[in-house]
Amino acid sequence: GAVVSQHPSRVICKSGTSVKIECRSLDFQATTMFWYRQFPKQSLMLMATSNEGSKATYEQGVEKDKFLINHASLTLSTLTVTSAHPEDSSFYICSARDSGSGNTGELFFGEGSRLTVL
Amino acid sequence: ILNVEQSPQSLHVQEGDSTNFTCSFPSSNFYALHWYRWETAKSPEALFVMTLNGDEKKKGRISATLNTKEGYSYLYIKGSQPEDSATYLCAYANQAGTALIFGKGTTLSVSS
Repeated sequence: GAVVSQHPSRVICKSGTSVKIECRSLDFQATTMFWYRQFPKQSLMLMATSNEGSKATYEQGVEKDKFLINHASLTLSTLTVTSAHPEDSSFYICSARDSGSGNTGELFFGEGSRLTVL
Repeated sequence: ILNVEQSPQSLHVQEGDSTNFTCSFPSSNFYALHWYRWETAKSPEALFVMTLNGDEKKKGRISATLNTKEGYSYLYIKGSQPEDSATYLCAYANQAGTALIFGKGTTLSVSS
């Protein structure tokens, strides 16, 4: 099956620093990738839709200047949490749909990244 | 606000028991319903993608049904095994190509 690689899996940083999370589709092309965030005991919440070669689409309440998304190629999307604060501590996970699978195709997920901001 | 509700939140069964979970979603503007299995420290993996009312899909001991008119889907596991222990996520799409809206999941624990 298709593989999505996400790293780092775990990161601890100081308040005020920036953290970059990478999401790569290893064996398929992904025109669109989705970034989700999960707080304890909550569902995966969509943060933004990342589109290759164009600007990401952010969900209501998600600051685009704080969560920078870059999707420069068909296999790589990055999420940068800028000036991280303790309230940004969460589990971030990316997913992608094979561009050739059609609109009902399953999502392939990365392993997720646990961010802890001290 | 589009809500996807899953129940129960968690359950514990003995090896060999059969079990089922429920996912409810908005019945209007339905496009697709996904089920994923998420094992600890791994990536969520797709079990089923369902689009048609009355659809029933099966993969080994796991099966799912879909009722789009009333907005619910059931996931069944027959003869649960310890390796079935995971969180089962349900996700709904109301349009083609859009992101999925997830429920909180049902966490299953199977004891041997």
